[in-house]
Order: sequence, then structure tokens, then C-alpha cells
Amino acid sequence: DIQMTQSPSSVSASVGDRVTITCQASQGIVSWLAWYQQKPGKAPKLLIYEGSRLQSGVPSRFSGSGSGTDFTLTISSLQSEDFGTYFCQQSKDFPATFGPGTKVVI
Amino acid sequence: EVQLLESGGGLVQPGGSLRLSCTASGFTFSNYAMSWVRQAPGKGLEWVSGILESGGRTYYADSVKGRFTISRDNSKNTLYLQLHSLRAEDTAVYYCAKDPADYGVSYYFDFWGQGTLVTVSS
Repeated sequence: DIQMTQSPSSVSASVGDRVTITCQASQGIVSWLAWYQQKPGKAPKLLIYEGSRLQSGVPSRFSGSGSGTDFTLTISSLQSEDFGTYFCQQSKDFPATFGPGTKVVI
Repeated sequence: EVQLLESGGGLVQPGGSLRLSCTASGFTFSNYAMSWVRQAPGKGLEWVSGILESGGRTYYADSVKGRFTISRDNSKNTLYLQLHSLRAEDTAVYYCAKDPADYGVSYYFDFWGQGTLVTVSS
């Protein structure tokens, strides 16, 4: 199975800050990576798929980059509603595997 | 509007069984692969099982293989997960999730239900 790691595990930032979260796969996954945002008590929400494609309706301040084993999610200007936990997930094959999550605290 | 509504969760004793359901609306259910993903309290996300649009092929995480069974009834727009031989470590919120690929599988999830809580405890 493909293992996913993320860093940092948590980040505290202010409104307007640029926030970067990294994700690493245990083997090459080309660009088969998705990013999700989850708020407490809610289901995850898809932000980015195929490494860099923005899901419909997601603000353009979110962007994804990377390929192979190393990926990045960037929030260009953090907004108050961006608090929550962010998960990466490899979408190369089943079993789908997720990173442990990065908690963003405003 | 895509909607996924899970039901069937609850408190069950270790070794017990439960059947979860996920009723879909707002899209042509029979065209899309579906999955179950769970989240233990305070923990991360764990993919549990997936099924292709026809129901002809199923996939399982090693942690549930042989104990859980995924199925679907396309005439009822409903996805199921039958849970047997439940353990304390199966305690989690179980989400159903839709694959975005029409007649295929993309291995990620564009819509999720609100989840149903399964608690395994004596």
C-alpha cells in the first residue's frame, strides 16, 4: 500500500498569511493526489484533485502543486473560514490512502 | 444537488453485526463508483471499501477484508456496507463517498455524506 505523510501536523497563522502544507507519498504517484478540507463535525470537502486541479466552487486562493512523491497545498491569503484540518490522499489506486492531516488554526 | 444520506449506525457489542445504508440523489447513481470511508473519534480518514458502478467489482482495506461486505442496489439508488465480527477499533463515523468518474474510477471523492456513527462497545 502507498503510505502518505504530511507536515506540519499543525500550523497557526493569521488572516492574510500564506500557508503551505506538504504531503509525501511512499512511492511515485505521478499527479494522482487529492486534497480535502474538513471542519469539526463535518464531512471532508474536496479542494484539489490530480495534484493541481481546483474543484468547482473552491476559492482560487487554494492551489496544489507537485508530482512523483512530493506535493504541496498552498493557501495564498488565509481567510478566517479556512480553519480546519487538511488531508492529502493518493488517488493512484485502491486502497486509497490518506495523510494524517494538518490542522490549521487561525 | 448531489446528496448522500447515511443511516444504520448505532451501538453494537463486540462480535456483533450492523448494516449501513447510503441513499443517493441528485445524480445518476448507477453511473458512478462509490466508497465507504471511516474516521475514528479524533483520528484521520481511513478508506474502507469501494464498489464499481455496476457492482461487479469490489475492493476492501486489509483491516476489514473478510468481515465487511459492500454492495449496491442501483434500482434504489442505495449503497450498503454490511459489518460483521465488529471490534472496538471499528468504532468510527462511516462516510459514503462518490467517485467523480462517469463509468470509471478515479480513486478520489467529490461528494461525501454527513456520516453515521458506529460504536462498538460492551
